[in-house]
Amino acid sequence: NAGVTQTPKFRVLKTGQSMTLLCAQDMNHEYMYWYRQDPGMGLRLIHYSVGEGTTAKGEVPDGYNVSRLKKQNFLLGLESAAPSQTSVYFCASLRTSGYNEQFFGPGTRLTVL
Amino acid sequence: ELKVEQNPLFLSMQEGKNYTIYCNYSTTSDRLYWYRQDPGKSLESLFVLLSNGAVKQEGRLMASLDTKARLSTLHITAAVHDLSATYFCAVAGTYNNNDMRFGAGTRLTVKP
Repeated sequence: NAGVTQTPKFRVLKTGQSMTLLCAQDMNHEYMYWYRQDPGMGLRLIHYSVGEGTTAKGEVPDGYNVSRLKKQNFLLGLESAAPSQTSVYFCASLRTSGYNEQFFGPGTRLTVL
Repeated sequence: ELKVEQNPLFLSMQEGKNYTIYCNYSTTSDRLYWYRQDPGKSLESLFVLLSNGAVKQEGRLMASLDTKARLSTLHITAAVHDLSATYFCAVAGTYNNNDMRFGAGTRLTVKP
């Protein structure tokens, strides 16, 4: 199993450009999450999904959109990137059997100039 | 609103010493997590605590949960250099179990 994978690993954008981050999991988990991590801070939840075709806002959703067209994929979009969106983005999925453990992807380091 | 506070934020320890990291949260919760993060890496799950009085141990790390006090602790016993990392606690809200809030992290450095 690959677990949770993220594409791309690094990206540099100019202000106003758009991009999509892809998260994929092969563990058949229903729940998936997008977080951002800024220096000196913990992770903050951007959006999450409780199943295919569903999405919901987290703590810091502004400037982002998400889609969950397939159970295994969770996409995070930036329509018009801003320097404040420079961050490391982590995707996670949740195993709801047993101990409700979250599995994290390797992260995407995004810089907006 | 669910808020999570960790302390200390920075911790420098000598090898062989013991210390405790504290995680306080502001509202009731069903789940509390502890994670480890090495520089430039993703988060690694250490413990999931689901009930009051839960205690879990793995090697030199032991985590406990007191839901009445809204407090979790991560105790480090006889620290070794390999434990140097940033440790995060995260709490799931009761009303929205998917609204996870993280502490700011404790950057632990273990010196020989």
